[in-house]
Amino acid sequence: EVQLVESGGGLVQPGRSLRLSCAASGFTFDDYAMHWVRQAPGKGLEWVSGISWNSGSIGYADSVKGRFTISRDNAKNSLYLQMNSLRAEDTALYYCAKDILPYYYGSGAFYGMDVWGQGTTVTVSS
Amino acid sequence: QSALTQPPSASGSPGQSVTISCTGTSSDVGGYNYVSWYQQHPGKAPKLMIYEVSKRPSGVPDRFSGSKSGNTASLTVSGLQAEDEADYYCSSYAGSNNVFGTGTKVTVL
Repeated sequence: EVQLVESGGGLVQPGRSLRLSCAASGFTFDDYAMHWVRQAPGKGLEWVSGISWNSGSIGYADSVKGRFTISRDNAKNSLYLQMNSLRAEDTALYYCAKDILPYYYGSGAFYGMDVWGQGTTVTVSS
Repeated sequence: QSALTQPPSASGSPGQSVTISCTGTSSDVGGYNYVSWYQQHPGKAPKLMIYEVSKRPSGVPDRFSGSKSGNTASLTVSGLQAEDEADYYCSSYAGSNNVFGTGTKVTVL
């Protein structure tokens, strides 16, 4: 069964750091780009960051650029999001998601997210 | 990286069709054929319904179809069913980045 399981969320004070993890199973992890997507309470989806299969291409939303760092360990089938200088507006449910097409499909773009985890909640508050 | 623009709501009776628009720019929707659509029911993770503008993942009913013209993409749900009532989001590749739409709540009357 293809599965993504996020962990690492919690309550953190503004300005502090948190590291999210996503454990992947049931597919060849190092063939696919991966993403972090968040959803603030009662709000829409916001793409946070994406990373290509070999970490050669990385992108961030403007709202987190310079504060968040995405990484992956293909040997451990794991995706990470290091979040620094957290703000109240970072409060959200954070999803890990898998891209639908493997890197050898061709263009190296992000094609669509076909597998999602259940999410981990991050609350930034004093 | 501005969010793609979607209408806040859309509705239709069972059996009817509803079409949701998603407007971006030449840097995202208009520049790439990598538009995707997601369905989200309350309290659930999003589900991919369409990718690469018009392709359906395995298991998605053919009642769901996608298209694109210029900087605007569209999702059409034909033969509306009660279980189609949900929030729908478009998304587009934007050159090393991705951007979601503002979301549309679809109500089945």
